[in-house]
Amino acid sequence: AQSVTQLGSHVSVSEGALVLLRCNYSSSVPPYLFWYVQYPNQGLQLLLKYTTGATLVKGINGFEAEFKKSETSFHLTKPSAHMSDAAEYFCAVLGAGGTSYGKLTFGQGTILTVHP
Amino acid sequence: ETGVTQSPTHLIKTRGQQVTLRCSSQSGHNTVSWYQQALGQGPQFIFQYYREEENGRGNFPPRFSGLQFPNYSSELNVNALELDDSALYLCASRPTGGDTEAFFGQGTRLTVV
Repeated sequence: AQSVTQLGSHVSVSEGALVLLRCNYSSSVPPYLFWYVQYPNQGLQLLLKYTTGATLVKGINGFEAEFKKSETSFHLTKPSAHMSDAAEYFCAVLGAGGTSYGKLTFGQGTILTVHP
Repeated sequence: ETGVTQSPTHLIKTRGQQVTLRCSSQSGHNTVSWYQQALGQGPQFIFQYYREEENGRGNFPPRFSGLQFPNYSSELNVNALELDDSALYLCASRPTGGDTEAFFGQGTRLTVV
């Protein structure tokens, strides 16, 4: 069975500061990993994804994430926070086989607050 | 804009009633999934349809059922509504492929009173 744990339900940073949102996963097969962002009363928007290849993945809006197999982690970072980054962020793992095929398993989410 | 549209955007129902939520997939996407997102939680997988057949289901009771139509649009039906069914229901579509991303609609906010 696959699972995702996001460490920290709330993260608060100052504008211009580093953003670090943590995600650890459990998967019995090589994982496909995603980060989504959700603004209030909206659906989910893909920030970036890891499937195979380069372990450092760049996404939209200056975000990037690094897949570390040895640590089963896929942390999301952004060098300099902007006020518009305030939202909820979800890490997810995609089922790749069997009854989990195509199923996204999400973490509980991390609410990012950006202070001026 | 993801090209995935859901209707209605908001809905209020009474406990015990039945509800149907609708989703129009992005063009060319033949796989659709439904998720339930309770307040303050991550989305939970309900089920997935591929070419009009259910091919995956999460831990939801049978009163949650679905349909996918030949044009790949989809419905989620919930019978005998309970208060705990109050949530944001998200539809996601994607083309066939193991690593393809899912494109989400804006969701339907269901409130059961």
